Amino acid sequence: KNEVEQSPQNLTAQEGEFITINCSYSVGISALHWLQQHPGGGIVSLFMLSSGKKKHGRLIATINIQEKHSSLHITASHPRDSAVYICAGQRGGSNYKLTFGKGTLLTVNP
Amino acid sequence: SQTIHQWPATLVQPVGSPLSLECTVEGTSNPNLYWYRQAAGRGLQLLFYSVGIGQISSEVPQNLSASRPQDRQFILSSKKLLLSDSGFYLCAWSSGLSSYNEQFFGPGTRLTVL
Repeated sequence: KNEVEQSPQNLTAQEGEFITINCSYSVGISALHWLQQHPGGGIVSLFMLSSGKKKHGRLIATINIQEKHSSLHITASHPRDSAVYICAGQRGGSNYKLTFGKGTLLTVNP
Repeated sequence: SQTIHQWPATLVQPVGSPLSLECTVEGTSNPNLYWYRQAAGRGLQLLFYSVGIGQISSEVPQNLSASRPQDRQFILSSKKLLLSDSGFYLCAWSSGLSSYNEQFFGPGTRLTVL
């Protein structure tokens, strides 16, 4: 079993829809990163969280430590949100290593 | 503000040829530095990380090597490329000041080995 599991693998939405991407992780992971990879390959860090909830614009990330689950939400989705969204877990005590999920390909149609 | 540069952006190399990819970071000191590879259709894989000059940790045995000759410079090398080395190579940095830090990624180098 992978340390970080994402779902769904692919997601297609209509512009304006509310989107949720899920990430489950294994014991020992203490922080969760959400990344966005654009079609050209560039990667942007969206959030890093170890508890609670963070919000940036239309993006919201939550984490439930007891359930070892994190979600990334996009409100009022737009075609420019189309990208691959990747969650990555970071182990406690390790400053360095991220274990990556396989990514969710999001396509938002106009 | 901090910026991270990688070059070249794309590279096509024959099997058996050497490789040198360079990454530099501006606007920060003593960063942690990382090399990742994303093979076609696969997820990101950590190749090397460095917490200081001359300090390199390897995650995956392979024919690649990394060096950090200066605080903000990270180099990925190979003496002889294999077909399986094709992929998208990303450099990233994070602050070394606390245990949990965001990682900031460079624009990447797309390497094709023929």
